[in-house]
Amino acid sequence: NAGVTQTPKFQVLKTGQSMTLQCAQDMNHNSMYWYRQDPGMGLRLIYYSASEGTTDKGEVPNGYNVSRLNKREFSLRLESAAPSQTSVYFCASTFSGGANNEQFFGPGTRLTVL
Amino acid sequence: RKEVEQDPGPFNVPEGATVAFNCTYSNSASQSFFWYRQDCRKEPKLLMSVYSSGNEDGRFTAQLNRASQYISLLIRDSKLSDSATYLCVVNQGTGGFKTIFGAGTRLFVKA
Repeated sequence: NAGVTQTPKFQVLKTGQSMTLQCAQDMNHNSMYWYRQDPGMGLRLIYYSASEGTTDKGEVPNGYNVSRLNKREFSLRLESAAPSQTSVYFCASTFSGGANNEQFFGPGTRLTVL
Repeated sequence: RKEVEQDPGPFNVPEGATVAFNCTYSNSASQSFFWYRQDCRKEPKLLMSVYSSGNEDGRFTAQLNRASQYISLLIRDSKLSDSATYLCVVNQGTGGFKTIFGAGTRLFVKA
């Protein structure tokens, strides 16, 4: 089992460019999440998908869109990148959205927007 | 005020030392509590859940005080491999969608 995989690992964009971050999990989990992590701050939830076919906004959704392509895959799109979106992006998954479920994280994507 | 607050550290301790981290949370209706560990430039991984009665996993002990809205993690007999950032995590709802991560406490264990 690969667990949660993310591509790319690193990316540099210019302001205004667009890109899609890919995430996939092979644990048959129902719920998937996108977080960003900035220095001195905890992980902040961007969007989540409670189950296949549903997506909802988290704490910081502005400037992002998501697609739950199927049960395995959950992508994050930046339509017009801004320097404020420079961050480390983590995808995570849980079996269900239950409060006690462990979240499994991917290795992260380090994004720099110039 | 942040919803989950931790001392950022860093804590610099010698091998074999005992070290304690604290965390406070603001939402009294929070449902479940965890400690995650994050190594430098890596993803967070669950270290342990925190139960009301307190729980222990080897050298690690977690405590929860709901009245004071306070969580702690005690590491005994520190190892070099314990060097990492420890994230206090609070779930405010019945679902994982209201999970709040603290900014983390950095620990360096020296030989």
